[in-house]
Amino acid sequence: DTAVSQTPKYLVTQMGNDKSIKCEQNLGHDTMYWYKQDSKKFLKIMFSYNNKELIINETVPNRFSPKSPDKAHLNLHINSLELGDSAVYFCASSQGLAGGFENEQFFGPGTRLTVL
Amino acid sequence: RKEVEQDPGPFNVPEGATVAFNCTYSNSASQSFFWYRQDCRKEPKLLMSVYSSGNEDGRFTAQLNRASQYISLLIRDSKLSDSATYLCVVNSYQTGANNLFFGTGTRLTVIP
Repeated sequence: DTAVSQTPKYLVTQMGNDKSIKCEQNLGHDTMYWYKQDSKKFLKIMFSYNNKELIINETVPNRFSPKSPDKAHLNLHINSLELGDSAVYFCASSQGLAGGFENEQFFGPGTRLTVL
Repeated sequence: RKEVEQDPGPFNVPEGATVAFNCTYSNSASQSFFWYRQDCRKEPKLLMSVYSSGNEDGRFTAQLNRASQYISLLIRDSKLSDSATYLCVVNSYQTGANNLFFGTGTRLTVIP
């Protein structure tokens, strides 16, 4: 059983296009996240959702919009794609929001986005 | 300044060697600390949490020095399967929520 799944695994698209990445978790977790890992392998949080509420929005362009139809899903929609958006995007989930050790984050396999 | 700083390596060590990774974090109010492991083209996975008193899990030992804001990971008797990137991760409460901040990772290659 896949705990956190993402689709697609690879996404190649042209500049200016709009694309979505889907994420689903079957762990019953309350909180889901989106991370971006750039070419230098630096992993940085973009968003997190808890109970359908956006609770973190780092300095991410508003071309990126997370959408959560239910607790098990957090999709990422990107408008007007730019070259600099090329990266690996990871979805993750955890139980709860507290900073405790029990709130391990489980990551999906990643979506490798290439913007041409 | 980055939240978490690590030596990117690479560290190339022979099988059976002992290797140590270090990282520093900038927010003295950070609450919890972790080491994650990331294999090439794979997702990060939790390796171990780092407790104030230090903790050990088999061949892996993690230490935390809050005064120096310094975290370490020691791997004894390295195996080929230990080859991966090791990410130092710190949880800090900022702007109304808890965030995980990742270091850039230290790459380890264990050589036969």
